[in-house]
Formats: sequence, C-alpha cells, structure tokens
Amino acid sequence: KAGVTQTPRYLIKTRGQQVTLSCSPISGHRSVSWYQQTPGQGLQFLFEYFSETQRNKGNFPGRFSGRQFSNSRSEMNVSTLELGDSALYLCASSADRVYEQYFGPGTRLTVT
Amino acid sequence: AQKVTQAQTEISVVEKEDVTLDCVYETRDTTYYLFWYKQPPSGELVFLIRRNSFDEQNEISGRYSWNFQKSTSSFNFTITASQVVDSAVYFCALSEARISGKTSYDKVIFGPGTSLSVIP
Repeated sequence: KAGVTQTPRYLIKTRGQQVTLSCSPISGHRSVSWYQQTPGQGLQFLFEYFSETQRNKGNFPGRFSGRQFSNSRSEMNVSTLELGDSALYLCASSADRVYEQYFGPGTRLTVT
Repeated sequence: AQKVTQAQTEISVVEKEDVTLDCVYETRDTTYYLFWYKQPPSGELVFLIRRNSFDEQNEISGRYSWNFQKSTSSFNFTITASQVVDSAVYFCALSEARISGKTSYDKVIFGPGTSLSVIP
C-alpha cells in the first residue's frame, strides 16, 4: 500500500504571495490532517478534513485554509505569506480517527 | 486542556548506553491515546507506539520499551543499548478521543520533542 504523499517537497516563496500544498492520503483513508512544524512553536495542528468536511481546526489565522476532494486528496492554502510561515508542513491520513494516522514526508516551505 | 511536556530538550549518550526519554501529559478526559514518534533528519514522522488510556501494561519492542503510569501522567520511553541510528528527535503526543455529532475533538497534541544524539 502506498504511503501518504505530499507535493511539492520543497518550495520557496516571497512574502505576500500565496501557496498551495497537496497531500494524497493512503488509499481508503478519509481523514486528512495538516500540521505545521517550526523550530520555535514545534508541531502544531492546523486542521482536519473528513469526507470533504473540515471536522476540526487548530488556532491559526484565516490565511490558512484547506479543502478535501471527493477522492480524499487534500490541499492546504496559505495566502499573504509571512516570513513566520516558513516551516515544514506535514500531512497525515487515517481511515477515520486521527489516533491511527500516518504521516507523509512533509513540504518544506521557505518564505523570503 | 491538553498538554504534553518533554522536559529534556537535548540528550547526548555514547553508543550502547541506555537512555530514557521522559513524557508527562495533561488531559481532562478519561479516554485518550498516547504516542511516541521518531523524526530523523529526513523530516518524516515515524510512528513508534500508541497506547490507550485503559491499557497501562508496559510494552517492549526490541531495544525499545515504554512505561505508562497514569498515577503520574507519564509515558516514558527507554532505548536500550543505543545505536547511532537512534539519533533523531523524538516526540511524545496525546490525543483525546471524542466525536460529538459532526464535531471531532480528535487532534494530536505534540510535545516539544527531545533531540537524541548517540555518539559512536
């Protein structure tokens, strides 16, 4: 079974731009969660999507948004990028409950 | 509120030494899950173990062992006879387990991580 895949793996953007990250979950998984990892704040939960609906949300500004498609693939969008958005963005998928999730390799975003 | 504390920011040991990584958690729920993940330099989180709150039995998997004590809200991780390949950042995490209607309270809260360096 293929694991969780994330594209792109590396990305460099300029402050003020927007970015879209993609996550393909394990086949059959309907839940996709997104996390941000920075040296200062550690690993923080962004949001979770289940069957195309946002089911849970962390404490991030509205610039961070996401969606999930009918094939369970998920995208995360960050608008008006700030330097502090530079981070490793991890995606995780599970069949249903997040305590059975598997992580992807991450997308490393650098904002200059 | 949920919280996970890993008091050890960095640990350095010589190969073949045993090392214990501490994890203390806070939760108001009676049903929850605890995890340990390993993050090597490549960045991907590698799942090591999951325990639910009703199972306090200690677990051993090869050189790895885990000690779960609800009385002290701790879930410590011991690596026996450490190896250089064990060098990584280790995260302890907590997840409550509630879904009410369409609302999920499931989310995994991670501790700050412990960076382990095993010196040859």
